[in-house]
Amino acid sequence: ETGVTQTPRHLVMGMTNKKSLKCEQHLGHNAMYWYKQSAKKPLELMFVYSLEERVENNSVPSRFSPECPNSSHLFLHLHTLQPEDSALYLCASSQILTGVEQYFGPGTRLTVT
Amino acid sequence: GENVEQHPSTLSVQEGDSAVIKCTYSDSASNYFPWYKQELGKRPQLIIDIRSNVGEKKDQRIAVTLNKTAKHFSLHITETQPEDSAVYFCAADDKVIFGPGTSLSVIP
Repeated sequence: ETGVTQTPRHLVMGMTNKKSLKCEQHLGHNAMYWYKQSAKKPLELMFVYSLEERVENNSVPSRFSPECPNSSHLFLHLHTLQPEDSALYLCASSQILTGVEQYFGPGTRLTVT
Repeated sequence: GENVEQHPSTLSVQEGDSAVIKCTYSDSASNYFPWYKQELGKRPQLIIDIRSNVGEKKDQRIAVTLNKTAKHFSLHITETQPEDSAVYFCAADDKVIFGPGTSLSVIP
């Protein structure tokens, strides 16, 4: 695998479930990002990690919990979600934190029932 | 914090015509301005970017212009083709704030 990969590609979960989204980058980058993409807000930054430390938490509800165990992996742990959380969740990575291209993964299409 | 506005939200052009999308930003400290293209069902990909020490940059049919004084920058696509149909997002770095996107349709 090359570039940025995300699993699963599709996820349907109930409001009481707990699930996790996984992102992996094979580019040797030092920064990783989670975005939410929905019709209301096309590309909404959620979290930013630089060298495995969280540097941005963009007022995201606590039902979303990120984890970055190393510079290649990023997780988004989900629990007690709401139907309005249904969206496409995109992961991205970049070589450094600012001023460079971001490489996006294919996204996870999440549906909360 | 940074706020990025983008206009128009939708744009429809005839094949071969030019398309222009404009973005404004609020943080004068921003110095990197990328443009991403997202085709239907695909991931966003960088198509061109510009830094604050440059006023214009071109890459074949696409160009970006930057006016730091007025805090706006624009994407220009010439000789549009059907494969240019996509959603285009501008952004202002440092904080990686994306504009709301422009849906471009090129009519054959």
